[in-house]
Amino acid sequence: NAGVTQTPKFQVLKTGQSMTLQCAQDMNHNSMYWYRQDPGMGLRLIYYSASEGTTDKGEVPNGYNVSRLNKREFSLRLESAAPSQTSVYFCASSPSGTAGNQPQHFGDGTRLSIL
Amino acid sequence: AQKVTQAQTEISVVEKEDVTLDCVYETRDTTYYLFWYKQPPSGELVFLIRRNSFDEQNEISGRYSWNFQKSTSSFNFTITASQVVDSAVYFCALSEARNAGNNRKLIWGLGTSLAVNP
Repeated sequence: NAGVTQTPKFQVLKTGQSMTLQCAQDMNHNSMYWYRQDPGMGLRLIYYSASEGTTDKGEVPNGYNVSRLNKREFSLRLESAAPSQTSVYFCASSPSGTAGNQPQHFGDGTRLSIL
Repeated sequence: AQKVTQAQTEISVVEKEDVTLDCVYETRDTTYYLFWYKQPPSGELVFLIRRNSFDEQNEISGRYSWNFQKSTSSFNFTITASQVVDSAVYFCALSEARNAGNNRKLIWGLGTSLAVNP
């Protein structure tokens, strides 16, 4: 039971480098999400995709782009990494974007450090 | 405005003690959903429970119980006879039904870090 799979698990970047965080789910969920988690700030939504073909900004989208490649995959790209983007990134999925009663299921997270 | 408040930042208890984690929410919606998640030291986020606003029955699952009170806008989580394995950060979250279509997102509390000491 893979659920939500994130790669990589750890990454160190230099300021200005770019990288893409990958996320895939095998639960046939419609909606997918990217969060960042920082100490004392809880979980903050970066972008989400309510269904295949759509993406929307969350609370903290600046400096990020996303691609909903297909129903299974939702990637997060940092075009020019900044130290402020050092964080733990979580991908999540839920059955539907229109049913607020559906819980989100999370991947194990990516620990990203930007020097 | 929607908001979830977990006033207890950190709690430390000794094993076998009972502990209650508080969650207070704000919403103007009459239909909403409340969630609890657990984040153990290994870092993953695990869904624990969902409660609908129209269902005020309390729920018990083993040593875990949840007390939902609309009158006080609270959805508290109690662990009975705590164990070291319960050590984790616990998050409460809210979803509102009135946000139409694609706009339904979870509103998260900042979490309560629970340390259960042997």
